[in-house]
Amino acid sequence: QVTLRESGPALVKPTQTLTLTCTFSGFSLSTSGMCVSWIRQPPGKALEWLARIDWDDDKYYSTSLKTRLTISKDTSKNQVVLTMTNMDPVDTATYYCARILEDTAMVIDYWGQGTLVTVSS
Amino acid sequence: EIVMTQSPATLSVSPGERATLSCRASQSVSSNLAWYQQKPGQAPRLLIYGASTRATGIPARFSGSGSGTEFTLTISSLQSEDFAVYYCQQYNNPCTFGQGTRLEIK
Repeated sequence: QVTLRESGPALVKPTQTLTLTCTFSGFSLSTSGMCVSWIRQPPGKALEWLARIDWDDDKYYSTSLKTRLTISKDTSKNQVVLTMTNMDPVDTATYYCARILEDTAMVIDYWGQGTLVTVSS
Repeated sequence: EIVMTQSPATLSVSPGERATLSCRASQSVSSNLAWYQQKPGQAPRLLIYGASTRATGIPARFSGSGSGTEFTLTISSLQSEDFAVYYCQQYNNPCTFGQGTRLEIK
């Protein structure tokens, strides 16, 4: 059974750095073809893809947010970490981690429940 | 960046009727198109990928079609649980979502 769970602060101040952790089970990121992504969704708005990390440590980022994002993995802990620098109120959103369906590049077959991050002073 | 445009923004349909949702890409995405359903307070759920392949466990009343820049999600006979927001996603280069279509009860 595949599960993913996001954890991190619910509230961050403007200019701070956000660090989110995705802890997953039911698959291994050391298995060839496995990938994990982060997606966010501002309240009442659409989904926005942020970043992806592959089993072989290849990393991909949203063009518009690339300078602010870092994605990493700890295979031994079954965790993926996303950091986003210089947070702004417009970054207020529910942040999801998700597993990518094997051999599809970016089709998401399992999602975490999401964690709401509010950016406010 | 590839822009995905969904129409209509809101669709009102009666239970038992057919619903047709559209998604257009600003440039060709081949068949690298997925559809997701999202209900309030929940994460999205994968319905269709590869433009027309139903995901595991998705009922046959959901079907997808199209290629290139024009795509359609059809729900053949709406059930009460189908009223939700639907997003299309291109994963050709690398990934963008549409703004969503809200399917509401008429």
